[in-house]
Amino acid sequence: GEQVEQLPSILRVQEGSSASINCSYEDSASNYFPWYKQEPGENPKLIIDIRSNMERKQIQELIVLLDKKAKRFSLHITDTQPGDSAMYFCAASSGANTGKLTFGHGTILRVHP
Amino acid sequence: DMKVTQMPRYLIKRMGENVLLECGQDMSHETMYWYRQDPGLGLQLIYISYDVDSNSEGDIPKGYRVSRKKREHFSLILDSAKTNQTSVYFCASSLWTGGGETLYFGSGTRLTVL
Repeated sequence: GEQVEQLPSILRVQEGSSASINCSYEDSASNYFPWYKQEPGENPKLIIDIRSNMERKQIQELIVLLDKKAKRFSLHITDTQPGDSAMYFCAASSGANTGKLTFGHGTILRVHP
Repeated sequence: DMKVTQMPRYLIKRMGENVLLECGQDMSHETMYWYRQDPGLGLQLIYISYDVDSNSEGDIPKGYRVSRKKREHFSLILDSAKTNQTSVYFCASSLWTGGGETLYFGSGTRLTVL
């Protein structure tokens, strides 16, 4: 099945700076790449996603980039705020439209005032 | 209001006991999932269900089984629980569109097996 590697596992940034999380995948048939945010004690929630027919997508301060040749995708949070502190998961579909999502191991983001 | 409900929120069991985790959703979603979350391992797919009695193994199905007799209800069963099944279990549902669906997660069940 699909394997997704996510780095870094912990990311500390100053408020107002940018934060970047990188993921790579193995299955070239994967075509859907969502990002989920999980606050402490809460459930994961979708914040942004990108499909394989796109290279870049932006929703407000969130930017996702997809490099299909390198099988890499990334999340960039510009102008980070303390409210951005959370666990972030990248994921990739397993291809063949099975509906199965494989998640990365997660990145703990801490935004310091 | 779209909702995925999990019961119970916290559960403590002894090794060898049977465990039933229940999940319900009110969105008429065809697809439902069970994931477990462990520190450093992220979310791992246990089972996926495409509709009533249409279940498929995920990446870590060993030691688990599922039941889906109604579209809105999906159960995870641990027969003879083991200590390494101590984890947080999340149920999720999605509307099937052929790939690339948003998963709506429940609040999770924290299971401790002693």
